[in-house]
Amino acid sequence: SQQGEEDPQALSIQEGENATMNCSYKTSINNLQWYRQNSGRGLVHLILIRSNEREKHSGRLRVTLDTSKKSSSLLITASRAADTASYFCATDRGSTLGRLYFGRGTQLTVWP
Amino acid sequence: DTAVSQTPKYLVTQMGNDKSIKCEQNLGHDTMYWYKQDSKKFLKIMFSYNNKELIINETVPNRFSPKSPDKAHLNLHINSLELGDSAVYFCASSPSGGMSDTQYFGPGTRLTVL
Repeated sequence: SQQGEEDPQALSIQEGENATMNCSYKTSINNLQWYRQNSGRGLVHLILIRSNEREKHSGRLRVTLDTSKKSSSLLITASRAADTASYFCATDRGSTLGRLYFGRGTQLTVWP
Repeated sequence: DTAVSQTPKYLVTQMGNDKSIKCEQNLGHDTMYWYKQDSKKFLKIMFSYNNKELIINETVPNRFSPKSPDKAHLNLHINSLELGDSAVYFCASSPSGGMSDTQYFGPGTRLTVL
């Protein structure tokens, strides 16, 4: 069964606006990661947040993690047309083996 | 230089056939993975190998047999293809297979079974 549940499933915004995507999961985790997938391409790692961290930043990306609610959010500020992609969260379900369990993703469309 | 490469990019075949997908990484990583992404974009891990040894097998049918001739290659052979095998298959690699590893994905192989 899938681990992450991203919402919304699809998000459409104008360039310059902020985009917020959410992810919920069901089990304990060590880490949570966010990946991006451009159409017809493989996934690209964006950011990893550990279970003992609450917030992390990378450029225009801000990730939060609330382990009590088993949820995470990915905020992209000042979005660009090039940010158009699917965004996936992935967790390890507490395993140390490096296996990742992905959600179905949020399809983000940024209009110029 | 392509970090993780897969061949072929597209594969169209008939039910019952046997086919292989090849994957190579030039990142010097110890661990490689196969994932299956269905038509609804759900991505599910199938296998992982660390230094040519099988680490993870996520209850994948026996018709799927991964083979790792060396740590830079992880090929996927599929016997007796079924309609439900149609999907995009992604190969990935990571430095050590640890829980904090970033995984690097290949471009995917779109398999269509007719």
